[in-house]
Amino acid sequence: NAGVTQTPKFQVLKTGQSMTLQCAQDMNHNSMYWYRQDPGMGLRLIYYSASEGTTDKGEVPNGYNVSRLNKREFSLRLESAAPSQTSVYFCASRGRNNSPLHFGNGTRLTVT
Amino acid sequence: EDQVTQSPEALRLQEGESSSLNCSYTVSGLRGLFWYRQDPGKGPEFLFTLYSAGEEKEKERLKATLTKKESFLHITAPKPEDSATYLCAVQAENTGFQKLVFGTGTRLLVSP
Repeated sequence: NAGVTQTPKFQVLKTGQSMTLQCAQDMNHNSMYWYRQDPGMGLRLIYYSASEGTTDKGEVPNGYNVSRLNKREFSLRLESAAPSQTSVYFCASRGRNNSPLHFGNGTRLTVT
Repeated sequence: EDQVTQSPEALRLQEGESSSLNCSYTVSGLRGLFWYRQDPGKGPEFLFTLYSAGEEKEKERLKATLTKKESFLHITAPKPEDSATYLCAVQAENTGFQKLVFGTGTRLLVSP
């Protein structure tokens, strides 16, 4: 039982390049989330998908797009990377409302 | 605006030296308070959920408590393997079930 799996683990991009971060969960959870974690700041919600077929903006959505491919998979796309998007990105999933989030181990992204 | 403040930012303990971490919150209608542990290079790992003032949860050397304004994570006789960053997050009525507000964490170092 792998839980939440994120790929890649590390990535370096040049300004203006694009990439997609992948996330998959095997817990049959309805809701999936993308967060970013920066030094001195709490985890901030980028986008979420409350159920298959829906996506919504979180606290910091600018510069990102998401796709809920199916119940298991939720991807995050950076169309034109900027240095301000250097961060650690975490995907999470959740079964019922008010239940805890389950996190992946993150993607460490550097934009130069 | 919903806010979560954790203190101290960092804490250094000797093995066996008990202490407490604090999470104070200002939210409109608490739906749940979550404690997570995060090891370097890993995603947050769920520890406890507390839903109402007066509630307590325990797991090994950790005990979480909740009042109307704050939560404490008590660590009794810590061991070096308890070294990690401890995160607190709240879910509030006015932000719905999908959006948690995270604190910036307390970095705990336990020396042998």
